[in-house]
This record gives sequence, structure tokens and C-alpha cells, in this order.
Amino acid sequence: DGGITQSPKYLFRKEGQNVTLSCEQNLNHDAMYWYRQDPGQGLRLIYYSQIVNDFQKGDIAEGYSVSREKKESFPLTVTSAQKNPTAFYLCASSIWGETNVLTFGAGSRLTVL
Amino acid sequence: KQEVTQIPAALSVPEGENLVLNCSFTDSAIYNLQWFRQDPGKGLTSLLLIQSSQREQTSGRLNASLDKSSGRSTLYIAASQPGDSATYLCAVPANQAGTALIFGKGTTLSVSS
Repeated sequence: DGGITQSPKYLFRKEGQNVTLSCEQNLNHDAMYWYRQDPGQGLRLIYYSQIVNDFQKGDIAEGYSVSREKKESFPLTVTSAQKNPTAFYLCASSIWGETNVLTFGAGSRLTVL
Repeated sequence: KQEVTQIPAALSVPEGENLVLNCSFTDSAIYNLQWFRQDPGKGLTSLLLIQSSQREQTSGRLNASLDKSSGRSTLYIAASQPGDSATYLCAVPANQAGTALIFGKGTTLSVSS
């Protein structure tokens, strides 16, 4: 079955460490997105990518980095520069230009100890 | 900048009741509007998509309406069931080209049996 796989589902990090969240899709979608969700909050866009080797900052990109070396993969690195990284991270993908046909992964919950 | 607001933040109803969730947006020049469902600790599932030229969309017991001129959308749930308990989010594209979605904070619905 086609879909988006995020891993790990739960991740714990010590302060000062970088961590990378994986997002893989087999839907042949061009566009991929990373959102952050905090309790009682909506989703806020971190980064998005329309095509391989290209990505754009969203509303809250500071302290995060991404890469898009393959169409299927869009990993997100949470760096030590992100001051409040504890959150639920959601990856999504779509056919470019059809943003409402979004498919979401199950999410990754990051907790900073 | 587009902002999306959802009222109420939380709603509790007994099983069988009909209910309405509200979504408002500040920029009426939207391309479309979408309603999502999110179960606790999970990703998002698309429920209904309304194009800007449409007034409403229906799927089973769900009916979503759109009034662009007033910047409002409603999600009507008929004959609510405990399985409807979840958080419901509405979202609109960030711009006409639909680069990404802007989400409201959601309404958390609890249906008691």
C-alpha cells in the first residue's frame, strides 16, 4: 500500500543534541512538507519541498534543516539551535499544485530531556 | 497574512446530537478549504475539500459549507457517534498557487455514549 512512513514514532533527545526525523513516501508525490504541532495548537509549517534538491522555509524554520536528495525522502534535522523542540512532528506529501490532496504520516513525537 | 480560527476549541455532546464546528479565515481570496480529522497521537485524515466555486460538500453524515465573502466555513456532523470523537482541523492554501496549507488550531470533539 502507498503511504508515508515516519520514524521513529517516539524520540528522546538530550539538550544540545541534533536529531533527524525520517520521512519516506512511495506515492510518487512531488511535494513534501514538515509541520510541527504543539498541544492545543494547529499545525505550523517548518519546511516544504516542491522537487528534488529544492526546498523552502516555512513559518518556523529557525533551528531546523532539511534535505531532498531523493523524491521519496525528506528528512528533518532538529538542531541544537531549536530552543523548544519538544513537539509532535508531521510529514506530508502531495502532487505539486494539488496541496489539498495531502497525505500525512503518523507523526513523530520528540521529547527533550 | 492569512489566519485561520476555529471555534469552539472543545465541544462535548451526547451521542445522537447534531453539531456544527466553525472555521473562519481572514483573507477571503482562498483557492479552496479542507477539513481534516486527527485522532490522538496520530496523523491527519482528509474529510472534505471544498473548492472556492462550491458552496458545500457532503460525505456521509458530514456536510461542509463555505461562504467566501464572509470568510467562514462550517462542518456539520449529523447524529454524532462516540467514534466521531477526535480533533477536527480546517485548512486553506497559503496562496493561490497552493504552496502549503495554513491550519486552524482545531476543535476537539468528545461524543459520549
